[in-house]
Amino acid sequence: NAGVTQTPKFRVLKTGQSMTLLCAQDMNHEYMYWYRQDPGMGLRLIHYSVGEGTTAKGEVPDGYNVSRLKKQNFLLGLESAAPSQTSVYFCASSGGRTTDTQYFGPGTRLTVL
Amino acid sequence: GESVGLHLPTLSVQEGDNSIINCAYSNSASDYFIWYKQESGKGPQFIIDIRSNMDKRQGQRVTVLLNKTVKHLSLQIAATQPGDSAVYFCAVAGRLGSARQLTFGSGTQLTVLP
Repeated sequence: NAGVTQTPKFRVLKTGQSMTLLCAQDMNHEYMYWYRQDPGMGLRLIHYSVGEGTTAKGEVPDGYNVSRLKKQNFLLGLESAAPSQTSVYFCASSGGRTTDTQYFGPGTRLTVL
Repeated sequence: GESVGLHLPTLSVQEGDNSIINCAYSNSASDYFIWYKQESGKGPQFIIDIRSNMDKRQGQRVTVLLNKTVKHLSLQIAATQPGDSAVYFCAVAGRLGSARQLTFGSGTQLTVLP
């Protein structure tokens, strides 16, 4: 049982490039979330999903898109990366008996030059 | 919306002493609170949670206290060990329909001194 996994672990992009971050969970959780963490700050919610095929905007959604084609996967896309998107990105999931408790992946460190 | 603040950005304690990390929140309607531990280069790890119908909850070496009157939350770690060194975040869970949005504080860096 790996929990929540994220790929890649690190990535460097040039301004204007695109990329997709993958989150996978093996806990059969309904809910999945994408957060970003900037230095000296707590995590902020980008997008979330309440089930396969559904997505919704969080607190800081601009510049990002998401998709949830399979229950176990939640993808975060950057269509045209900007230096302001340099951050550490965390995926989380929740579900089962304790739908309120979110469990986090190890993170992806993204640098946009 | 919700805002979450922590009283101290850093805390140093001697190994074996008890640690207390504090957190304040703004929304009196908040009903679910979580403490996470984050080690360097890793994702937040769930420690303990508490709902608004409780004042205190205990886990293994950790206790969370909730004072709804002053909107204050604290995490107590008993007999602090070197492995407890990490950044600790409190998070307040708001509602997003059936989902939950976590609003995090900026974290307290706990350093355990030998």
